[in-house]
Formats: sequence, structure tokens, C-alpha cells
Amino acid sequence: KNQVEQSPQSLIILEGKNCTLQCNYTVSPFSNLRWYKQDTGRGPVSLTIMTFSENTKSNGRYTATLDADTKQSSLHITASQLSDSASYICVVSARDYKLSFGAGTTVTVRA
Amino acid sequence: DSGVTQTPKHLITATGQRVTLRCSPRSGDLSVYWYQQSLDQGLQFLIQYYNGEERAKGNILERFSAQQFPDLHSELNLSSLELGDSALYFCASSARGTGDSGNTIYFGEGSWLTVV
Repeated sequence: KNQVEQSPQSLIILEGKNCTLQCNYTVSPFSNLRWYKQDTGRGPVSLTIMTFSENTKSNGRYTATLDADTKQSSLHITASQLSDSASYICVVSARDYKLSFGAGTTVTVRA
Repeated sequence: DSGVTQTPKHLITATGQRVTLRCSPRSGDLSVYWYQQSLDQGLQFLIQYYNGEERAKGNILERFSAQQFPDLHSELNLSSLELGDSALYFCASSARGTGDSGNTIYFGEGSWLTVV
């Protein structure tokens, strides 16, 4: 069964600090991995999309990494801002068009 | 604004009733996806359509059905509603199938369904 596990479930960081979120998956055959940001009660917004051959992709202060061999990805948030408070969802796409969603990591940034 | 439009934004209905949620994809997008997100739960994939045809099916209950019309808008029909069906229902769209890494999926703002 295709699964996506995210850790930690939640974290609290101070404004200006960095943090890293983890995503482990068992989806096969793998097509691509996506990170989404979801504000409470809003629709998810795409941050990055990575394929098998990509190791790192950045979007502003967000940097995603992918190790397709170990089936692990991380999302690093640099110099966090209050607006980064949200749920971050890892989504893995298999080649059969099906998406597998992680449960998300809730990030709370405090002043 | 993602360009994906969902109506209604909020809906309260009684158990046993039937509702229809509507989604207009981004202009030019051929794929439409439906997801359910219950309180404090992750997104659950329900179903995907591509250019009017069902492309992939997830954990969609038999009481639920969906379709995509020739103008590419989609409807999700929920019948014999139960309290546990209360959730935020998202529609998303993309230009092509999800196997394509260049295919960004855009989400609407969701339809809040409360079953009482």
C-alpha cells in the first residue's frame, strides 16, 4: 500500500528561526513529490514539485530535498515568518496518476 | 486566487439528505480532482476526472458520485448524508494527469459541509 509519513506532527518555532519537516514514502512506481502549504480553512497551495532526478528545489525561503533512493524528502523553512504558520503537506504521485497525501505537519511560528 | 471556483462555500444540511457540490476548474485545465478533509484530518483523495472521463478513484463511498461535464466543470453528489460526512470538500484542477511533474495541481477554497 502506498503510504506517506510526515514528521513531526506539529512544531512551534520562534520567528526568524529555521525548521525542517520530514516526509518518508513508500509510493511505487514513483513519479514526483510535491510540497503544499495549507492555511487553516483554505485550499492547499503548491510550493515545490520534484521528480526522481531532482535533489533540491527552492521557492523563496522554502527549500525541498529529495532522496529517491531512501524515499525521503524534507522541506526546510529559512528565517521563518509569522505567515509561515500553516500545515505543510507532502504529496507523492505514482505513475498511475494516483496521489498519496501525508497527514501534514502543523507549523506554528511565534513572535 | 488559484482560479478554481467551488460553490457553495458553506452548506448545512440534515442527515439523510443529498447535496451537490460544484467545481469550475482553471481555464484550460482538463483534470479535476475531489478531496475530502475532515476536521484535523489529512486530505483524502476521492476521485479524478480527465476531459470528462474518470481517471482515478480513491476512497470514495458508494453514496458519493461525481461527474465532469463537456464544459469541464464537475459536480460531486453526496447522498444519504451522515454526520461523519461533515468535512471540507476540495476540488482541484490541473492541465494534465498527475504523472507529469510539470503538472501543477491548483486547489479551490473548498466547500464546507456540515451535516446535522
